Amino acid sequence: QVTLRESGPALVKPTQTLTLTCTFSGFSLSTSGMSVSWIRQPPGKALEWLALIDWDADKYYSTSLKTRLTISKDASKNQVVLTMTNMDTVDTATYYCARIRNPGYGMDVWGQGTTVTVSS
Amino acid sequence: QSVLTQPPSVSGAPGQRVTISCTGGSSNIGADNGIHWYQQVPGAPPKLLIYDKTNRPSGVPDRFSGSKSGASASLAITGLQAEDEADYYCQAYDSSLSGWVFGGGTKLTVL
Repeated sequence: QVTLRESGPALVKPTQTLTLTCTFSGFSLSTSGMSVSWIRQPPGKALEWLALIDWDADKYYSTSLKTRLTISKDASKNQVVLTMTNMDTVDTATYYCARIRNPGYGMDVWGQGTTVTVSS
Repeated sequence: QSVLTQPPSVSGAPGQRVTISCTGGSSNIGADNGIHWYQQVPGAPPKLLIYDKTNRPSGVPDRFSGSKSGASASLAITGLQAEDEADYYCQAYDSSLSGWVFGGGTKLTVL
């Protein structure tokens, strides 16, 4: 069974750096074609894609946020970590990680999400 | 403003057919770059409904179907049921942005 679980702080202050961890099981991020993506959703708003890391450690970032984002993986721990610098109140959202088992197959398994509030 | 444009809302009575459009451009839907659809009920993560334009993952009823024409994609739902009431999002890879984009989402109301 494939599962993903997001973890991280529920509250961060403006200008701080957010670090989120996606811990997964049931698949290997070393398998050819596999990747993990981060997506966020502000309250009452649409989904926004943030970043992706694939089996070959290639990284892709949202154009509008790439200067603030870093994605990395620890294959031995089955974890993908996303950091976002210089947090602002507009970054308040539920952050999801999701698996893509092949580039053409969509995000087939999602975590439950973790809610992050940015407030002083 | 989303790169992919969806109607904010659609509605239909039980048993009816509804369609949700997703309009993009030559760098995403027009380029045939992995077009997918997701269903999200309140309080839950999105669920993959259609992948690669027309394919249904295991467990998704055949009442849901996807299509594409030019730079637009569509999701059709036939035999509408109360449980279909949810938000629906399209997604595609955008080669000019070198990343994935979502539509703004469409809220489906079952009357």
